[in-house]
Formats: sequence, structure tokens, C-alpha cells
Amino acid sequence: NAGVTQTPKFRVLKTGQSMTLLCAQDMNHEYMYWYRQDPGMGLRLIHYSVGEGTTAKGEVPDGYNVSRLKKQNFLLGLESAAPSQTSVYFCASSYSPGRISSYEQYFGPGTRLTVT
Amino acid sequence: AQSVTQPDIHITVSEGASLELRCNYSYGATPYLFWYVQSPGQGLQLLLKYFSGDTLVQGIKGFEAEFKRSQSSFNLRKPSVHWSDAAEYFCAVGAWENAGNMLTFGGGTRLMVKP
Repeated sequence: NAGVTQTPKFRVLKTGQSMTLLCAQDMNHEYMYWYRQDPGMGLRLIHYSVGEGTTAKGEVPDGYNVSRLKKQNFLLGLESAAPSQTSVYFCASSYSPGRISSYEQYFGPGTRLTVT
Repeated sequence: AQSVTQPDIHITVSEGASLELRCNYSYGATPYLFWYVQSPGQGLQLLLKYFSGDTLVQGIKGFEAEFKRSQSSFNLRKPSVHWSDAAEYFCAVGAWENAGNMLTFGGGTRLMVKP
């Protein structure tokens, strides 16, 4: 059981370049999330998905797009990277609502992205 | 909207000393509360959670936390810190929002352990 995995672990982009971060989970979770982590700001929600084919905006969605074509995968895209998107990106997943344990999120190891 | 404040950005303790990390939350209903730990270069691992019932909850690695509704707090404690506890700690509150179960995180507290 791998849990939540993220690809790649590190990436350096030039301003204006695009890239896609991949998140995969093998726990059959309905919900998936993308966060960014910046010093002193904790984790902030970028986008999330409540099921295959459904996505929604979080707290800081600008400059990012997401897709959930398969239940186990959640992709985060940067169409035109900016230095302000330099951050550590975490993916998480959880069960669907209906039980209290659905509030518990399981996190991947993170992707460290630098935009120069 | 809910919010979480961790007043201490950095804390340094000596190995073997006791530890308390502070967490204050703002939420209108009964909160679901969590503490996560992030070791260097790693993702977040759940330490413990509070949903209801006993206000003193036990977690992994010898940690415990106490929910105090009157103070809107959920402080994390450990009686004797080990060098391996050096990490960043995040408090979070869970709420139903926008048809989903969402977590709102505090800014984190970085714990350093002196030998």
C-alpha cells in the first residue's frame, strides 16, 4: 500500500514555462486535495475534488488548473509559471463525507517547485 | 469562516524536557481538531485527532492534546522530548464547507531540540 504518491519530487522552472504535478492514491478515497506550503502560512488549499470528473476551487486557485479523470489520480497544472508559485506542493486524499473519519486527510511527500 | 492560530513560530527545548505547543481556533460549531507533524523533507503525518468525547486525546509518539472549549484551544504536549521530535507541527480544524470536509491549518510551529 503506497498511500499517496507525488511526481516529481523536485522541479525548477523558468518563468512562463508550464508543468503538471501528478498525485496518485491507492486507498480508494473519493476526495483529493492540492495544497501549497509557504513559510509561516501553513498549508493553503489550491483546488480539490469530490470525485472523478469533479473539481472545485480552494483558497488560492489563481494560476493553477486541475483535472481528475481517474479516481486515483489528481493532476495540478501550472500553465505559465511565475516566481510567486515557488512553493512546496502537497497532495492529500480522504474518504467521502458520511463518516467523521472523512475529515482525516492523508498526505503525499510533497513536490518542491522553484520558478526562476 | 474558521481559522487556526499557532502563536509560536519557533520553539527550542532541551532533550528530555517537557513540551507544549499552543493552538487556538475559531469556529462557530463543535470543532474537529487535528495535529500533524512534518519531518524535514517529508509529508504531513497525523499525530492525533479530536472529534468528541474525552477532551484529553492520546496520539502517536507519546504526544497528547487537550481540547478546552472555554479557551478555544487544542494544545499539544509531550512529557519528555526526544531529538527525533525536531520537526514542524501543524494544528488544523475540520469543517464542512462547500460540500466537502475541509481542513484549515495554522501557520505551524517549528520545534528544535537541543542535546
